[in-house]
Amino acid sequence: SQQGEEDPQALSIQEGENATMNCSYKTSINNLQWYRQNSGRGLVHLILIRSNEREKHSGRLRVTLDTSKKSSSLLITASRAADTASYFCATDAWFGNQFYFGTGTSLTVIP
Amino acid sequence: GAVVSQHPSRVICKSGTSVKIECRSLDFQATTMFWYRQFPKQSLMLMATSNEGSKATYEQGVEKDKFLINHASLTLSTLTVTSAHPEDSSFYICSARVRGAGTDTQYFGPGTRLTVL
Repeated sequence: SQQGEEDPQALSIQEGENATMNCSYKTSINNLQWYRQNSGRGLVHLILIRSNEREKHSGRLRVTLDTSKKSSSLLITASRAADTASYFCATDAWFGNQFYFGTGTSLTVIP
Repeated sequence: GAVVSQHPSRVICKSGTSVKIECRSLDFQATTMFWYRQFPKQSLMLMATSNEGSKATYEQGVEKDKFLINHASLTLSTLTVTSAHPEDSSFYICSARVRGAGTDTQYFGPGTRLTVL
């Protein structure tokens, strides 16, 4: 399977703290994306980082990519209760069409 | 940015009926669309790859006769769950591939929640 794997599977933090989630994958990729999914809702695209990029920022989000280790991290700074959701990384193999989703990290931000 | 829509967003049906889910790329053409399924508290699992004008490619373990996929145009793919049963209840999400100069990625629809009674 080319699925990515996130860790931790579940994370609970206090509002205002930073949350860090990691994603590992198995094959060479074109790009990696992070998505958020609120309970019972659809996916929301957060950020895309290309294989030739090492770090990217978007508001309170910071994503890093280490292609040598086949891993990525998503940092949410100054977390809010509204950030409570599941976060998935998705990768596409450079030779193929498909995107593969990781197992997700369930983040709970306690007000 | 690229927008993908799905219709319906939610459907409840009786066991044995068929349900059609539409996936549309609203402001771009997509030669390739993908269908995913997500069970509660689990990740998305790729079901099939849908190419415009050709037969879909199904992932191992996905019944092609049960999950009929038609990619009728460059902006529309449909997934029909035939003779649905309660175990088919799930969240179905499509995505559309966008390729261009320096770009090759996918954009996901909001999903369709299917409940089979």
